[in-house]
Amino acid sequence: AQTVTQSQPEMSVQEAETVTLSCTYDTSESDYYLFWYKQPPSRQMILVIRQEAYKQQNATENRFSVNFQKAAKSFSLKISDSQLGDAAMYFCAYRGISNFGNEKLTFGTGTRLTIIP
Amino acid sequence: DAGVTQSPTHLIKTRGQQVTLRCSPKSGHDTVSWYQQALGQGPQFIFQYYEEEERQRGNFPDRFSGHQFPNYSSELNVNALLLGDSALYLCASSLVGKGYTFGSGTRLTVV
Repeated sequence: AQTVTQSQPEMSVQEAETVTLSCTYDTSESDYYLFWYKQPPSRQMILVIRQEAYKQQNATENRFSVNFQKAAKSFSLKISDSQLGDAAMYFCAYRGISNFGNEKLTFGTGTRLTIIP
Repeated sequence: DAGVTQSPTHLIKTRGQQVTLRCSPKSGHDTVSWYQQALGQGPQFIFQYYEEEERQRGNFPDRFSGHQFPNYSSELNVNALLLGDSALYLCASSLVGKGYTFGSGTRLTVV
């Protein structure tokens, strides 16, 4: 079974600074997807960024980028130029693609990010 | 384009009762998944419905059951509620092989 670990329950960063959230995972599969989701107080899970394991290039979405280290099974999220609206719970998630229908997401326990004005 | 709609937003039930939660998927989506998120935890997969059938199930007891209707909407039913069933229940819809869109969830409190 796949597991996802987020070892930082809480992080804080000054507005406009850069912060990195850590995530490690365990799987025996060779191909899969990894995600970072943001959950603000509104409770809705919002996709931040997605990485396909077969792609060596790290995904980037505007101020958000990842450092994907497949051999180390590490998937960190870097947020540049932090903004007040970035404050939320951030969840790392794994999804396998080895079987049709095997589309469940396995989440970590989350990191609460606070932005200091 | 409406996203995923869940109802009700909040619910309080007594231990031993039964509850039904509802989810309308995003327009064009045919797959619905349900997740349970306990306070301070990440969401846990309950089950997924596609073509009105349960396609995959997580490690949840048979007290948790579901249904998908021909219009792709879905219900989550929980029987014999326990205090430990108190959680945020998230619905996510998708097209097969594509990304998820989540709803804002139903907060269930069992007293």
